[in-house]
Amino acid sequence: NAGVTQTPKFQVLKTGQSMTLQCAQDMNHEYMSWYRQDPGMGLRLIHYSVGAGITDQGEVPNGYNVSRSTTEDFPLRLLSAAPSQTSVYFCASSYSKGTAKNIQYFGAGTRLSVL
Amino acid sequence: RKEVEQDPGPFNVPEGATVAFNCTYSNSASQSFFWYRQDCRKEPKLLMSVYSSGNEDGRFTAQLNRASQYISLLIRDSKLSDSATYLCVVIQNTGGFKTIFGAGTRLFVKA
Repeated sequence: NAGVTQTPKFQVLKTGQSMTLQCAQDMNHEYMSWYRQDPGMGLRLIHYSVGAGITDQGEVPNGYNVSRSTTEDFPLRLLSAAPSQTSVYFCASSYSKGTAKNIQYFGAGTRLSVL
Repeated sequence: RKEVEQDPGPFNVPEGATVAFNCTYSNSASQSFFWYRQDCRKEPKLLMSVYSSGNEDGRFTAQLNRASQYISLLIRDSKLSDSATYLCVVIQNTGGFKTIFGAGTRLFVKA
């Protein structure tokens, strides 16, 4: 029962490098989201998607791109990494309707350091 | 002002104690409310949903006060395993999907 799978678990980048954080879910959830978590700040929404082919910006979208070509996958791309993007990144998914609506299931997270 | 505010703690309590956390939210359009639990270096996991009528799950009781715009979580008979960070989550249905997390309240339960 995989749920939400994120890769990699850890990553170190140099300033200016690009990379993609992978996220996949096998629960057929319509909604998927990317958050970053920094000390004392709580989780902040980066980008989200309400279904395949549809994405939108969250609270802190600058420096990140997303796409949703399938229901299962929602990769997050860092275009040119900056030290301010050092954080823990969580992917989450949820149903859009029904009794389980809006209950989010999280991946295990990716710890990213940008030097 | 943050949209969702929590006392960061930490709350240090002995085993068996009763502890209560509060969370306030600023947008009256908020429609769904949850408490999540996050263990150190782990992902958040749903603890319980919060309803206006209040709801209980074993030692945990959640309450919502829409008039005052706050939600609460009460933990009775605290266990060592309750040590974690508790996140207040508010969903705003403002024509889109907006989930707002509080920064969390840290709880340490000691023997």
